[in-house]
Amino acid sequence: AQSVTQLGSHVSVSEGALVLLRCNYSSSVPPYLFWYVQYPNQGLQLLLKYTTGATLVKGINGFEAEFKKSETSFHLTKPSAHMSDAAEYFCAVSLNQAGTALIFGKGTTLSVSS
Amino acid sequence: DVKVTQSSRYLVKRTGEKVFLECVQDMDHENMFWYRQDPGLGLRLIYFSYDVKMKEKGDIPEGYSVSREKKERFSLILESASTNQTSMYLCASSSGFGNQPQHFGDGTRLSIL
Repeated sequence: AQSVTQLGSHVSVSEGALVLLRCNYSSSVPPYLFWYVQYPNQGLQLLLKYTTGATLVKGINGFEAEFKKSETSFHLTKPSAHMSDAAEYFCAVSLNQAGTALIFGKGTTLSVSS
Repeated sequence: DVKVTQSSRYLVKRTGEKVFLECVQDMDHENMFWYRQDPGLGLRLIYFSYDVKMKEKGDIPEGYSVSREKKERFSLILESASTNQTSMYLCASSSGFGNQPQHFGDGTRLSIL
């Protein structure tokens, strides 16, 4: 069975500081991994995804994530936080099967202070 | 761009009522999903559908049913609404296999009084 664990339900950083949001997954087969962002009163928006190929994946808004199979991790990073990055972030995993649903982590709320 | 439209942003209903939440996508996606989002619990899958008239139970199907009569439309039905179904409901769609991302609507915040 697949599962996703996001370490830290709440992360606070200062503007300009490094953002690191942690995600570990459990899967019996090579997974597909996703990061989504949710701004207040909105749906989820795709930040980036890993399917195959390069393990360092670049997404929108300056975010990137690295797939580390040996550590079963897919941590999300951004070199310099901006106030507009304050939101809730979800890591998700799926299998390469028709009609497969995503398994989501419980989410991490990112706060950015000036 | 893919657009997933949920019929209501906010909805208030009473216990015992039959409630319909509607979702429409405009990209001819095979797969459609209904999630429930609660603070501290993340997103939990209620039902999903990978084809017209097909449906699969997710993690928390109790108290809910779904209908997919047309490819673009996926309805979530609360047969007899209860207060513990007060939540944010999110609809999503995707094409093909699990390597394709899901596209989400803006959600319906449902309150059951």
